[in-house]
Amino acid sequence: DAKTTQPNSMESNEEEPVHLPCNHSTISGTDYIHWYRQLPSQGPEYVIHGLTSNVNNRMASLAIAEDRKSSTLILHRATLRDAAVYYCILRTPGNQFYFGTGTSLTVIP
Amino acid sequence: DTGVSQDPRHKITKRGQNVTFRCDPISEHNRLYWYRQTLGQGPEFLTYFQNEAQLEKSRLLSDRFSAERPKGSFSTLEIQRTEQGDSAMYLCASSASGGRTEAFFGQGTRLTVV
Repeated sequence: DAKTTQPNSMESNEEEPVHLPCNHSTISGTDYIHWYRQLPSQGPEYVIHGLTSNVNNRMASLAIAEDRKSSTLILHRATLRDAAVYYCILRTPGNQFYFGTGTSLTVIP
Repeated sequence: DTGVSQDPRHKITKRGQNVTFRCDPISEHNRLYWYRQTLGQGPEFLTYFQNEAQLEKSRLLSDRFSAERPKGSFSTLEIQRTEQGDSAMYLCASSASGGRTEAFFGQGTRLTVV
């Protein structure tokens, strides 16, 4: 199974940028990097994904290292509603998603 | 379409009973996934379907677990002879084909085995 490594927890002040790192040294050339987040008592929610190039959407930005062995999810201005567990996932050619334990983000008012 | 829906949201059952959960995916999605999540852990992959074909099953899916997706639409996950260790959140997700497509998750079914 493709594996990712993330810090267990991070804190950020409200309205400041947050950089959530992820290591995926065993990534293969066809794996997409996906990020999801999960609020308490809810199912995971898609945030962003990419293959090689950096990606931006209305929720976040994804910066992918040139060797693709790591990536960083960037929340440009953290709000209290961004407090969640963030999962970095490799989507395999077989299309399974394998979750790790994720990073629990705390946003401090 | 209101997204992926799961039923029931909560289920309490006695040990040894059988339970069945239902997942209705987003209508145009041909891929459907089941996951199990226990407290403090990330979701664990159980199985996935492409249309009506079950393409992969995790070794976590013991003989007491069975999943179906008749006609490639909704799916059911049945657990026979439930055990206390089966207590968890069971999540369903659906997606279109391709590694670049995102998955949409339901709210999950929380199972408590007493």
